[in-house]
Amino acid sequence: DTGVSQDPRHKITKRGQNVTFRCDPISEHNRLYWYRQTLGQGPEFLTYFQNEAQLEKSRLLSDRFSAERPKGSFSTLEIQRTEQGDSAMYLCASSPGVGGGEQYFGPGTRLTVT
Amino acid sequence: QKEVEQNSGPLSVPEGAIASLNCTYSDRGSQSFFWYRQYSGKSPELIMFIYSNGDKEDGRFTAQLNKASQYVSLLIRDSQPSDSATYLCAVNLGYGGSQGNLIFGKGTKLSVKP
Repeated sequence: DTGVSQDPRHKITKRGQNVTFRCDPISEHNRLYWYRQTLGQGPEFLTYFQNEAQLEKSRLLSDRFSAERPKGSFSTLEIQRTEQGDSAMYLCASSPGVGGGEQYFGPGTRLTVT
Repeated sequence: QKEVEQNSGPLSVPEGAIASLNCTYSDRGSQSFFWYRQYSGKSPELIMFIYSNGDKEDGRFTAQLNKASQYVSLLIRDSQPSDSATYLCAVNLGYGGSQGNLIFGKGTKLSVKP
């Protein structure tokens, strides 16, 4: 039973560039979540999907952020025109959905914007 | 504003002692509660969840929930140096984590001294 995987694990980009992260959830899980975590803080919710439907977006998610889960399997999170304040760990989690809301996290993608 | 509060620590305990970690939450409608362990530079790992008032035990870990007091705690018995990590408390408005996003506290850093 493989866990949640994320790619890349680290990303360094220059301010103004676009970046895209990928998350592959646990195979039988139909819910997928994105969070962002900065040093000394707990993870902050960004958005979540049930199958391919995006059910909720945080007010933290500016217009520069977009997420997709086109076939209800993997998901991508894109940040356009990155800013230094976007530097953080981007965490993906999945849960079974119906039958279980416990969320299991992937290893995260650490983004550094220079 | 839904909030989850934790003492940031560090909480230092000797090896073999009981570590007690506490969490309070502001939204009385919260239904499910989770404890995650996060080692430095790693992603959160789910260690306990509790949905009903009272105690829930799993190995050396006991979660305690008091919804009337809006208080949840985690006890770690026979603490080991490998338990040294940041412990994150998270809350969900839905029973069984069904509501979607988790609201996290900032975490309590635990240090277990040999």
